[in-house]
Amino acid sequence: AQSVSQHNHHVILSEAASLELGCNYSYGGTVNLFWYVQYPGQHLQLLLKYFSGDPLVKGIKGFEAEFIKSKFSFNLRKPSVQWSDTAEYFCAVITYTGGFKTIFGAGTRLFVKA
Amino acid sequence: DVKVTQSSRYLVKRTGEKVFLECVQDMDHENMFWYRQDPGLGLRLIYFSYDVKMKEKGDIPEGYSVSREKKERFSLILESASTNQTSMYLCASSSQKWGGEQFFGPGTRLTVL
Repeated sequence: AQSVSQHNHHVILSEAASLELGCNYSYGGTVNLFWYVQYPGQHLQLLLKYFSGDPLVKGIKGFEAEFIKSKFSFNLRKPSVQWSDTAEYFCAVITYTGGFKTIFGAGTRLFVKA
Repeated sequence: DVKVTQSSRYLVKRTGEKVFLECVQDMDHENMFWYRQDPGLGLRLIYFSYDVKMKEKGDIPEGYSVSREKKERFSLILESASTNQTSMYLCASSSQKWGGEQFFGPGTRLTVL
């Protein structure tokens, strides 16, 4: 079955620390890849997306992600986190098998200590 | 800006009641989605719709139905609410037929007693 795995459910970092959140998916065909973020009390919103082209994509607020096809991974990174990055982060994959299917990971809660 | 609105932020219902959750988007999007969000499980797709009167089952359709009579409106119906349907329900819409960015509403937190 197609699935999306996010390796860490909870991450605690101090401000200025570097962040990397893992995301792996299980599907061998064409995919569109997304990271969404949900700040406390707010809607889910798009952080960045990958459809094709340069596998290193940049998103809002200094986030970036790298698509590594051979590893079925799309890890999210930020060189220096801020307290305002405290949120829940979701990796999502859209696959194509006769129609499109959207699969979300379980989410990673990030808490950044000031 | 795309706006997706949901009829209620909080809802409390009793077991066995019929529950309607409404979602409206204002950007003429073809695709609309209903998810439930539970801690540790992420978002799970209940139903989605490509067009008016079209619907497709997601991963967890049991106990739910949907209606899309107008392009901008997508309703989720719990025919007979049960306590295990207590959850956060999120509506989303997207404009691309094959898998673009989804825009989410604020969510409805439903409690079934």
